[in-house]
Amino acid sequence: QVQLVQSGAEVKKPGASVKVSCKASGYTFTGYYIHWVRQAPGQGLEWMGWINPNSGDTNFAEKFQGRVSMTRVTSISTAYVELSRLTSDDTAVYYCAAAAGVRRAGFFVHWGQGTLVTVSS
Amino acid sequence: DIQMTQSPSSLSASVGDRVTITCRASQNISTYLNWYQQKPGKAPKLLIYSASSLQSGVPSRFSGSGSGTDFGLTISNLQPEDFASYYCQQTYSTHLTFGGGTKVEIK
Repeated sequence: QVQLVQSGAEVKKPGASVKVSCKASGYTFTGYYIHWVRQAPGQGLEWMGWINPNSGDTNFAEKFQGRVSMTRVTSISTAYVELSRLTSDDTAVYYCAAAAGVRRAGFFVHWGQGTLVTVSS
Repeated sequence: DIQMTQSPSSLSASVGDRVTITCRASQNISTYLNWYQQKPGKAPKLLIYSASSLQSGVPSRFSGSGSGTDFGLTISNLQPEDFASYYCQQTYSTHLTFGGGTKVEIK
């Protein structure tokens, strides 16, 4: 069955960077876009961007431009999101999610379990 | 970016009730609209895609409607396991956006 397994919780200081991984199994890794979505405590869902694991192409929300990178290593079916210059506003659960394509096929059928990132001095 | 406005932000209902959540887009998004359910401490779960298509395995008491800018998610015969938060999402734009969410609570 399809699984997305994310790395464990992180605690970071303001100004630092964090890198979260998402390991896929049960399907062809290059066949699905990997999106990253975050959720601050008690808040709603916020889309951060996607990576096409086949081409490496990325697309980021304006809010995160210049501060986010998304990469993948196809040999181990793993995608990564890295966020730099962290502030307390970046404290959130970060989810990866898989979509079969964009637009009409852009819905998220499979999700990771979430990774809590806490930014605190 | 396309703004997605959900209403209400929360509602109280009883088991067996019929509830409708609305989602309005800031521009025409055709039927590029999806709905998710999220329970506390869990990842969201896809309920409806393309405005009205029921995801496999989702009970038929969930239904979606709408096109253009106005959409609805209806839960008929509300069950105890349906008390959760619900989010709409547009995939019309290459920059995806979610609605602010609706929390369905027990009356």
